[in-house]
Amino acid sequence: QKEVEQNSGPLSVPEGAIASLNCTYSDRGSQSFFWYRQYSGKSPELIMSIYSNGDKEDGRFTAQLNKASQYVSLLIRDSQPSDSATYLCAVKFEDTGRRALTFGSGTRLQVQP
Amino acid sequence: GAVVSQHPSRVICKSGTSVKIECRSLDFQATTMFWYRQFPKKSLMLMATSNEGSKATYEQGVEKDKFLINHASLTLSTLTVTSAHPEDSSFYICSARKTPSGAGETQYFGPGTRLLVL
Repeated sequence: QKEVEQNSGPLSVPEGAIASLNCTYSDRGSQSFFWYRQYSGKSPELIMSIYSNGDKEDGRFTAQLNKASQYVSLLIRDSQPSDSATYLCAVKFEDTGRRALTFGSGTRLQVQP
Repeated sequence: GAVVSQHPSRVICKSGTSVKIECRSLDFQATTMFWYRQFPKKSLMLMATSNEGSKATYEQGVEKDKFLINHASLTLSTLTVTSAHPEDSSFYICSARKTPSGAGETQYFGPGTRLLVL
């Protein structure tokens, strides 16, 4: 069974700190990885996509992918209280022909003012 | 990015009635759309994959006769919850798959529909 694992948290960081969110996945052949942010009562919002090993930066967000170790992470620099949300990691498993993404259960981030 | 809309955003209905939820991709064509359900403080649960012009693919445990999906055009998919019961009360979210040129493809989510069955 294809799985995406995340620590449910909550991960609590002070305002201005770096928040580090991690995700592991079971399928070594996966090629597409995504991070979504979901505020309470709202639908997920795409933050980042990453397809190649290494880092991808977008503003305060950096996604890191290590296919050999089968993990993908999201770093949030200068964390703000408005970043408090649940962060969902999503992976597209290539070998099943399945078009849907497989989501982790999410990590709840709390940024303390 | 891309914009996906859902209608209605919120619906309250009596037990036994049917409810239709619409999902539209506003600025791109989506041959594939997905329907999810999310209960409070739980993760997204994929219900079905909606393919334009063909039958939907349902996940294990999801009753296809209860959750009717129609994907009649490249920008519209509908989910009808038939004979709704209180246990069907949930947050229903659609997403549309956008396939850009080059590497990768991305799913964009609609704002969700909150269904309450009395």
